[in-house]
Amino acid sequence: ILNVEQSPQSLHVQEGDSTNFTCSFPSSNFYALHWYRWETAKSPEALFVMTLNGDEKKKGRISATLNTKEGYSYLYIKGSQPEDSATYLCALGISEDDKIIFGKGTRLHILP
Amino acid sequence: DVKVTQSSRYLVKRTGEKVFLECVQDMDHENMFWYRQDPGLGLRLIYFSYDVKMKEKGDIPEGYSVSREKKERFSLILESASTNQTSMYLCASSFGRGRSYGYTFGSGTRLTVV
Repeated sequence: ILNVEQSPQSLHVQEGDSTNFTCSFPSSNFYALHWYRWETAKSPEALFVMTLNGDEKKKGRISATLNTKEGYSYLYIKGSQPEDSATYLCALGISEDDKIIFGKGTRLHILP
Repeated sequence: DVKVTQSSRYLVKRTGEKVFLECVQDMDHENMFWYRQDPGLGLRLIYFSYDVKMKEKGDIPEGYSVSREKKERFSLILESASTNQTSMYLCASSFGRGRSYGYTFGSGTRLTVV
C-alpha cells in the first residue's frame, strides 16, 4: 500500500508569521502531486497540481515546491492570516487515470 | 460557478436500511469518486468511475456499491447500513485521463447509522 506522509500532523502559528510543512511520497510511483486546503464546514479546495521535478507554484501568499527524485513537496505560507486556518492535504497521483492517494493532512491553526 | 452537489448534508439512518447518497456535477467531468473521511484515517477511496456505467473499487469497497447511469451523476449505495459506516462521505470529480487539474469536491454528507 502506497503511503503519503504529511508532517507535522498539527501546527500552531502566530498571525503574521510564515510557515511550511512537508509531504513525502514514494518517488518510484510519481505521476502528479496535489495540494488541497480544507476549511472547517467547507469542501476541500484544490490549491496546486504539480507534475514536473523542480516545479514551483504560487497562489497569493501560498506556494509549493516539488522534488520527485527524493519524493517530497513543501507547502509555504507567507505572513499567515486567520483565514489560513485549515487542514492542508497532499495527494499523490500514481497514474494518468487521475486516481490519487491522500495523506492525512496537516492541521494549521493561526493564533491571533 | 462550477459545482459538485451532494443531495444531503446530514443523514440519520437505521441499521440494515438501504442508503443512497447522490452526487451530481455540472462540469462535464469524466471521473467521479466517493471517499469517506474518518478521524485519524484521512480520506479513503471507496469507489470511482471513469465513464458512464464504468466503476472500479477503491481501497475500502466492502459494504458499498455505486451506480453511474449518467455522466453527471454518481450514486453511492450502502446495501445494508451498519454502525461502522457512520462517517463523512465526500464526492469529487475531475476532468479525466491524462488531464490532472485537481479534484472538485462536494460539501459532504455526514451519515449517522443508529
